[in-house]
Amino acid sequence: GNSVTQMEGPVTLSEEAFLTINCTYTATGYPSLFWYVQYPGEGLQLLLKATKADDKGSNKGFEATYRKETTSFHLEKGSVQVSDSAVYFCALENSGGGADGLTFGKGTHLIIQP
Amino acid sequence: NAGVTQTPKFRVLKTGQSMTLLCAQDMNHEYMYWYRQDPGMGLRLIHYSVGEGTTAKGEVPDGYNVSRLKKQNFLLGLESAAPSQTSVYFCASSQSPSTGELFFGEGSRLTVL
Repeated sequence: GNSVTQMEGPVTLSEEAFLTINCTYTATGYPSLFWYVQYPGEGLQLLLKATKADDKGSNKGFEATYRKETTSFHLEKGSVQVSDSAVYFCALENSGGGADGLTFGKGTHLIIQP
Repeated sequence: NAGVTQTPKFRVLKTGQSMTLLCAQDMNHEYMYWYRQDPGMGLRLIHYSVGEGTTAKGEVPDGYNVSRLKKQNFLLGLESAAPSQTSVYFCASSQSPSTGELFFGEGSRLTVL
């Protein structure tokens, strides 16, 4: 079955540091890939996505590139801010075209210190 | 803009009690989902619906039932709550699953004693 593996953290960085959160996946075929973010006390919201190999998703300074060869979708940001503190989830589209939802990783808790 | 609304937001139950979580969306979405979120486990799909009157099992359906009598509502029921069902429950909806964009509610924290 499908699975997503990501570091759980917490990952603690200083403001303006470079961020990488690793994500690798196991799936049949080439599913769409996503990063979701969950701020404290809120539900998840879509951060970015990529639908095919070599696509780069980007939003709010975050980027991730769909790497078919390494089955990876690592999240990066050049200069993090305190407001980026949240839990980040990597996810992939299930084989039913997404109708049966997404498979999520366990989430990475990111803490940015001033 | 309400989006996806879950009620109640907090609930404490005793083992064996029953309850229903209500999810309501005002975006006219066809697809709706119930996930549970547990520490170290991430989000796991309980049940989902691809349209009014339909339901299907997800990854962890045991101990739960669902109904989608109206397009805008998706109910999650626990007939006989167990401590293992202590969790945070999230409802989500989507108009087109091919976009991968799920819209989530704020969550319902359930504790079973």
